[in-house]
Amino acid sequence: EVQLVESGGGLVQPGGSLRLSCAASGFTLKNYWMFWVRQAPGKGLEWVSRLKSDGTTASYADSVRGRFSISRDNAKNTLLLQMNTLRVEDTAVYYCVRGGLGPHWGQGTLVSVSS
Amino acid sequence: DIQMTQSPSTLSASVGDRVTITCRASQSISDWVAWYQQKPGKGPKLLIYQASSLNSGVPFRFSGSGSGTDFTLTISNLQPDDFATYYCQQYDTDFTWTFGQGTKVDLK
Repeated sequence: EVQLVESGGGLVQPGGSLRLSCAASGFTLKNYWMFWVRQAPGKGLEWVSRLKSDGTTASYADSVRGRFSISRDNAKNTLLLQMNTLRVEDTAVYYCVRGGLGPHWGQGTLVSVSS
Repeated sequence: DIQMTQSPSTLSASVGDRVTITCRASQSISDWVAWYQQKPGKGPKLLIYQASSLNSGVPFRFSGSGSGTDFTLTISNLQPDDFATYYCQQYDTDFTWTFGQGTKVDLK
């Protein structure tokens, strides 16, 4: 069974950093495009970042480019999102998503940025 | 970026109704469209992928259609469990993912 389990969220002050992890099981991460999508409280869904299956190409939304970095640990079959210089507007539930014919989503992890 | 314009933003309906939600893409995306259901406090649940393929375990009253730029999600015989917010998504890997603004289906 395909499973994606996010972790690493929490409360952080503006300007701080967090690293999100997404542990994948039931498939091999490096065979798929992988994505991070977020949802601010009461708002819609926003694509954040993606990593091509070959691991060579990463893309970012304008709102996070230069502050966030996507990567993966093949040995642990885990997707990562390093988030630096966090802003209040980064507060959201962050979802890890597997690409493919039918996108498969994790349950999400909440990131709260507040002083 | 491809824009996904979803309508309506809110839809009031009764149990047993047939409900239609539409999404229009700003350019052709073949059939790379998914539809999700989301309930408060929960993550999105995939209903339809590749515009018209029903995800495993999803009731047959949900259906999707369209290609190119115009896409539709239909719920026939609306059930109490279907009152939720629905999102469309384009997931063509030639473009960055984008989502519709969401449609809240509530009780009339």
